[in-house]
Amino acid sequence: AQSVSQHNHHVILSEAASLELGCNYSYGGTVNLFWYVQYPGQHLQLLLKYFSGDPLVKGIKGFEAEFIKSKFSFNLRKPSVQWSDTAEYFCAVISNAGKSTFGDGTTLTVKP
Amino acid sequence: DAGVTQSPTHLIKTRGQQVTLRCSPISGHKSVSWYQQVLGQGPQFIFQYYEKEERGRGNFPDRFSARQFPNYSSELNVNALLLGDSALYLCASSWGERLYFGPGTRLTVT
Repeated sequence: AQSVSQHNHHVILSEAASLELGCNYSYGGTVNLFWYVQYPGQHLQLLLKYFSGDPLVKGIKGFEAEFIKSKFSFNLRKPSVQWSDTAEYFCAVISNAGKSTFGDGTTLTVKP
Repeated sequence: DAGVTQSPTHLIKTRGQQVTLRCSPISGHKSVSWYQQVLGQGPQFIFQYYEKEERGRGNFPDRFSARQFPNYSSELNVNALLLGDSALYLCASSWGERLYFGPGTRLTVT
């Protein structure tokens, strides 16, 4: 069965701190990996995605994620967070069969 | 361009009733997916439709059904509502594998 695990439920950081949110998935076939973000009062929106090729992918607002196939991981990183990064972050896997699975999300609070 | 739209925004129903939720995808998008999001959890996949045919189904009971119309809009129907069906129901249209989410319909079952 396809599953996604996000290890951190709530992360609190001060501005300029570095961020890493963990995401591990389980699936036997080829997957497409995503990070979605939901800012307060807004819709879920795509942050970045990995389909193939370079395992280090860059997204919007300075975020990046690294796909490590051997660890079934797709961790999200940002070198220096800002107050405006306060949001909920979801890791997701979409299989080639079209089934999508989301993690339970990580709430990031950035203190000014 | 207009994004994904959903109606109604909020809905209150009683146990045992039936509900229909509506979704209009972004123009040009032929695929629509439905998700249920309970507080504190990520979106749970319910259905995906592509070109009016069901392409995928999540682990939801048969009380949940959906359809897609020729204009690619979609409806999600839930019969015999239970208290546990209270959630935010999200619709997403897609271009390739990227999902574009709507604002959701907040369903409360009392």
